[in-house]
Formats: sequence, C-alpha cells, structure tokens
Amino acid sequence: VLTQSPSASASLGASVNLTCTLSRGHTYYGIAWHQQQPEKGPRYLLTLHTTGVRYKGDGIPDRFSGSSSGAERYLTISSLQSEDEADYFCQTWDSGIQVFGGGSKLTVL
Amino acid sequence: QVYLQESGPGLVKPSGTLSLTCTVSGVSIYTSNWWSWIRQAPGKGLEWIGNIYHSGSTFYNASLKSRVTISVDMSMRQFSLKLNSVTAADTAVYYCAVQDSVGGLPRAIYAWGQGTLVAVTS
Repeated sequence: VLTQSPSASASLGASVNLTCTLSRGHTYYGIAWHQQQPEKGPRYLLTLHTTGVRYKGDGIPDRFSGSSSGAERYLTISSLQSEDEADYFCQTWDSGIQVFGGGSKLTVL
Repeated sequence: QVYLQESGPGLVKPSGTLSLTCTVSGVSIYTSNWWSWIRQAPGKGLEWIGNIYHSGSTFYNASLKSRVTISVDMSMRQFSLKLNSVTAADTAVYYCAVQDSVGGLPRAIYAWGQGTLVAVTS
C-alpha cells in the first residue's frame, strides 16, 4: 500500500524531499510521517492529507513540512541539520488496519 | 502531553507467551483515541500488531491475529499485549502508541512509547 525509496542523502543546510507513494485505489488516503533517529524510538512528525498538513507533532520545527500530489505524499526537510539523519516512515490506515512504509534512510552529508 | 511507557519481561522462552503492558499518562484512556502495539525486529521496519478502543473494540494484523490478544484496563490506565506461541522471529523492540480517530476508526499515530526489547530465547 505504501512505497518508500530505501535511501536518500543531502548536504548539511540543504533541503530534501522524501516520498511516500500510495498504491492504486488508495491515492486519496492521508498518511502520517514518523522519524526514527539511530538507536531511538519513532517520533511523530505530522499528518498529511490530500489538502496538505493537518496536524504536526509537539515541538516539531517549521523546517519539517508536507505536501501531496496525486498518490505521492512528501516530507520536506529544509535547512538540514546533522540530527535529521534518521529513518523516516510513513503510515496509513484503512478501516482500522494500519500499514507502514518500508522506511527511507536519510543521510546528511 | 501524552506519555506512554512499556513494561514487561525482556526474555521469553520459545513456545511461551509474551506479555507487555503500556501505562498511559497525560490523557484519559476514555477519549476518542485508539491504543496500539507496533514492533520492530532488529534492523527491520515497523510492523503493526493491533489496536484497541476503550470500549474493547480491536483490530489485529491478519498475520498475527491467531496469536495476539490486546486488552485495556481503564482503571489502571493501561493496555496490554499478549502474544502466544512465540518463536525467535518474534524477537523485536515492542512499542505502544496512541492514535487519533475519525468516524470512530483509528487514524494517525501521534505519540509513541520509548519501546522495550523482547528476546525469545531458551
């Protein structure tokens, strides 16, 4: 249901877009983005619908934003910092069932 | 702010039952939230196990449904996970989490516990 590229990289101070692609028949679904830093548990970032970001987690910097286009759900991280190096997972829901994407490992160069 | 804390044995013997509890603070367990269990095997991604509403309604991952029971104890502000007939493949970090809802159904996870490692070993 959810497809993510396994890896991405960008330079310190730059911006990066991570993509979560919904499968056919689910292209109007909302998703949530979560960050998992090395050796830590996941942290909720934001909830993203076709109309844009609906909610953000407590204390999540403005550098984290989201957008949608068709079946694609994007997480944009601007002004990259070293602590942004992490795995990023998308999550969606369908009639009570939860699904996670495989995750994207972001490397900050 | 919601705070979730997992507790339970870190070691379980093969064919035994894995039992974990999640204690909730910062929000009433009676709200329109759903309470979830997710696990992550070493070096792998996140796998949803199941969730529960304060009424006792549940949803389970079809691949685990025959072995899983999730329950809620509102008086103790806790919800629990039992996974029976465990094997080494069930070794993972287990997380509890809370989801908001829409139309009475669970939606986005908006807070996570810190996780607890459970190893299945003899």
